[in-house]
Amino acid sequence: EAGVAQSPRYKIIEKRQSVAFWCNPISGHATLYWYQQILGQGPKLLIQFQNNGVVDDSQLPKDRFSAERLKGVDSTLKIQPAKLEDSAVYLCASSLSLEQYFGPGTRLTVT
Amino acid sequence: AQSVTQLGSHVSVSEGALVLLRCNYSSSVPPYLFWYVQYPNQGLQLLLKYTSAATLVKGINGFEAEFKKSETSFHLTKPSAHMSDAAEYFCAVNIAFSGGYNKLIFGAGTRLAVHP
Repeated sequence: EAGVAQSPRYKIIEKRQSVAFWCNPISGHATLYWYQQILGQGPKLLIQFQNNGVVDDSQLPKDRFSAERLKGVDSTLKIQPAKLEDSAVYLCASSLSLEQYFGPGTRLTVT
Repeated sequence: AQSVTQLGSHVSVSEGALVLLRCNYSSSVPPYLFWYVQYPNQGLQLLLKYTSAATLVKGINGFEAEFKKSETSFHLTKPSAHMSDAAEYFCAVNIAFSGGYNKLIFGAGTRLAVHP
């Protein structure tokens, strides 16, 4: 069984630029999560989808971050414009029930 | 509100020594608790989970954790550390919210170093 796929693995951009991350969850997993993991901290949930509907985006900075999950499968997370404090690893996870399966993450550096 | 506190951001042990990583939780309802491991440049991998069955939970790679309600703790242990155990470990508590959905709240993590 293929795991959660994410791309790109690494991205370096300048502040005020835009960036997008892609996630392909495990086949059949209805729930998809995007987390932000700042160096030295635990992952923080940004947004959670159930199929293609949002069930929790309370921690998503909506003035600059957006996410979508078209057709209830793949998802993209976008940042526009990026700030220095957005430098972090962005993790995607998917689940069928309680247990979440994580992708390898995208390491974003904003200079 | 549910939360997780991991005591000790860095733990260092000798190869073959006992590993003890501490986690305390705060929850107004019986919690579901998890330990995840993260190796460098990788995502998180589930080590073990407590879902209100046996209080002593065995996981992968020889790790286990004991749920102690009276101490609100869920410490992770391994009798004998291997060099390959060097990684970051995260404790997490599950929050159930309206609509039957669940989300995880993670602790800040503990980096385990194993030296020869």
